Amino acid sequence: QSALTQPASVSGSPGQSITISCTGTSSDVGTYNLVSWYQQHPGKAPKLMIYEGSKRPSGVSNRFSGSKSGNTASLTISGLQAEDEADYYCCSYAGSSTFGGVVFGGGTKLTVL
Amino acid sequence: QVQLQESGPGLVKPSETLSLTCTVSGYSISSGYYWGWIRQPPGKGLEWIGNIYYSGTTYYNPSLKSRVTISVDTSKNQFSLKLSSVTAADTAVYYCARVGGSYGNWFDPWGQGTLVTVSS
Repeated sequence: QSALTQPASVSGSPGQSITISCTGTSSDVGTYNLVSWYQQHPGKAPKLMIYEGSKRPSGVSNRFSGSKSGNTASLTISGLQAEDEADYYCCSYAGSSTFGGVVFGGGTKLTVL
Repeated sequence: QVQLQESGPGLVKPSETLSLTCTVSGYSISSGYYWGWIRQPPGKGLEWIGNIYYSGTTYYNPSLKSRVTISVDTSKNQFSLKLSSVTAADTAVYYCARVGGSYGNWFDPWGQGTLVTVSS
């Protein structure tokens, strides 16, 4: 299982939209629409923002949305706010025979300018 | 709401066994869901370690499988992690989380995490 590929950093100004990509392979992202996204502020635990590609947990702002095209999943944040500045990680089911066999991306640092 | 809390030694010597416990409140482990462990080395990304069901069924990351044991104590509403033969590479913040999805493909909520340092 290889880690998913994310850009190391992205940035945007308040009110703008940004997209974070997460590239896997035909063995994980490309075959299964089972990507989840996590937001992590410094010193804090990750928080689930998107699951199963595009579903939002209760309480997560609709400014966060997920999508997929081929082997690449994406997280889009619209109407950027200062509190969105954090690290973001994608995670995909890796298609192994192991329940919960998931692989994470290396993380993307979002800076709100 | 569901809350998870990790506990255990913050310092472990090389070659010894790391032991952590996750206490769940607000939800009975026996009611369902898998429960998992994830770790994050300082300044690095996340790595899935393994999951357990209340019945004791376990699934482990193949890269750690030979050294990992996850167990559950439903009477205490806890599940535990043991990682043997640790090295400095096992230094990380260890998180416990509830596992969701038909394929165990998402984690929510997470515990606050506990830093374990491997050093003599």
